Amino acid sequence: KAGVTQTPRYLIKTRGQQVTLSCSPISGHRSVSWYQQTPGQGLQFLFEYFSETQRNKGNFPGRFSGRQFSNSRSEMNVSTLELGDSALYLCASSLGSSTYEQYFGPGTRLTVT
Amino acid sequence: AQSVAQPEDQVNVAEGNPLTVKCTYSVSGNPYLFWYVQYPNRGLQFLLKYITGDNLVKGSYGFEAEFNKSQTSFHLKKPSALVSDSALYFCAVREGNTGGFKTIFGAGTRLFVKA
Repeated sequence: KAGVTQTPRYLIKTRGQQVTLSCSPISGHRSVSWYQQTPGQGLQFLFEYFSETQRNKGNFPGRFSGRQFSNSRSEMNVSTLELGDSALYLCASSLGSSTYEQYFGPGTRLTVT
Repeated sequence: AQSVAQPEDQVNVAEGNPLTVKCTYSVSGNPYLFWYVQYPNRGLQFLLKYITGDNLVKGSYGFEAEFNKSQTSFHLKKPSALVSDSALYFCAVREGNTGGFKTIFGAGTRLFVKA
């Protein structure tokens, strides 16, 4: 089975711009979660989608949004980029419920200048 | 709110020696605990999990973890460390309900295995 894929792998944007990141989960996985990883804050949960519905959201401003499509692929969008948004954004997929482990993609490294 | 603590930022061990990476947790109900490893410039990889049952859980690459309810700990262990085990290790707890789940990660512990 193919693993979780994320595109693009690297991205450089300017403050004020917006960005869309894409994630394709493992085939058959219906749950997709997004995380932000930074040296200072560690791994922080952004949101989780299951069957096209956002089921849970972390403590991030409304500039961070996402969606999931019927084929379970997911996108996250960050509008009005700030320097502090520079981070590694990780997508993870799982079969579903709390007892299932997550499988992570390689991440998208976003740099905001 | 549930939380996870990894008290050591870094653990150094010589190759061939046993290793332990510590994790303590705080949950309001039954804990669903996980260990993940992150190699440089790569995403996280699942190592093992505790859901219920036997307190000693075995996982990938020879790792195991011991669930201790009274001490609220879930330490990661390996009998004999390899240089290739050098990486960043995360303990995590999964919380939520049928309405949605999220994973709370510890701050991570960097493991250095010296040849």
